[in-house]
Amino acid sequence: KAGVTQTPRYLIKTRGQQVTLSCSPISGHRSVSWYQQTPGQGLQFLFEYFSETQRNKGNFPGRFSGRQFSNSRSEMNVSTLELGDSALYLCASSLEGSPSNYGYTFGSGTRLTVV
Amino acid sequence: DQQVKQNSPSLSVQEGRISILNCDYTNSMFDYFLWYKKYPAEGPTFLISISSIKDKNEDGRFTVFLNKSAKHLSLHIVPSQPGDSAVYFCAASDVRTGTASKLTFGTGTRLQVTL
Repeated sequence: KAGVTQTPRYLIKTRGQQVTLSCSPISGHRSVSWYQQTPGQGLQFLFEYFSETQRNKGNFPGRFSGRQFSNSRSEMNVSTLELGDSALYLCASSLEGSPSNYGYTFGSGTRLTVV
Repeated sequence: DQQVKQNSPSLSVQEGRISILNCDYTNSMFDYFLWYKKYPAEGPTFLISISSIKDKNEDGRFTVFLNKSAKHLSLHIVPSQPGDSAVYFCAASDVRTGTASKLTFGTGTRLQVTL
């Protein structure tokens, strides 16, 4: 079966702009979680969407938002981009959101560079 | 507040020998732990996991040990192979609560397996 698909793979934006990233989960998975990876910080949890509702949220400012559609595809939006938002953004899909079900699978990520 | 710590940023091991990667955590609510392997420009790939009700889990060349009293887990790779060279992340989750989908990651250990 197809894996988790993230688009685009690479993106360059200017400070102050906004950006939207997309994540298509594995078919049948209803949970999508988003992470930010920056050098030295590991992966940091942004938020999780389950059945079109945000169910969990990390410690990021309100400039970071997301949504999930009825087909479980999810989008993440960052407004008023800052240089520090440059990172690899990863999404992970799972059946119900729990990693203990062995279905917590990551996509290849979107590399965002803010200049 | 780094709740999951990987204190060794890098590790070099000869092919055929054992690789031991360590991880410490501070949050006693964590009850499920995972190890991921990551290559540059790709998403993390699940390796092995362990529930807090166990102290050891094995899968082929990979074994994870959990010491709950010390809040410490380790990943053993035996024998190490050049293809194991990657960054390894440990992650933790509290699957008993509604925040199971929120994985807390360490900052990673770069493993290099030399010939």
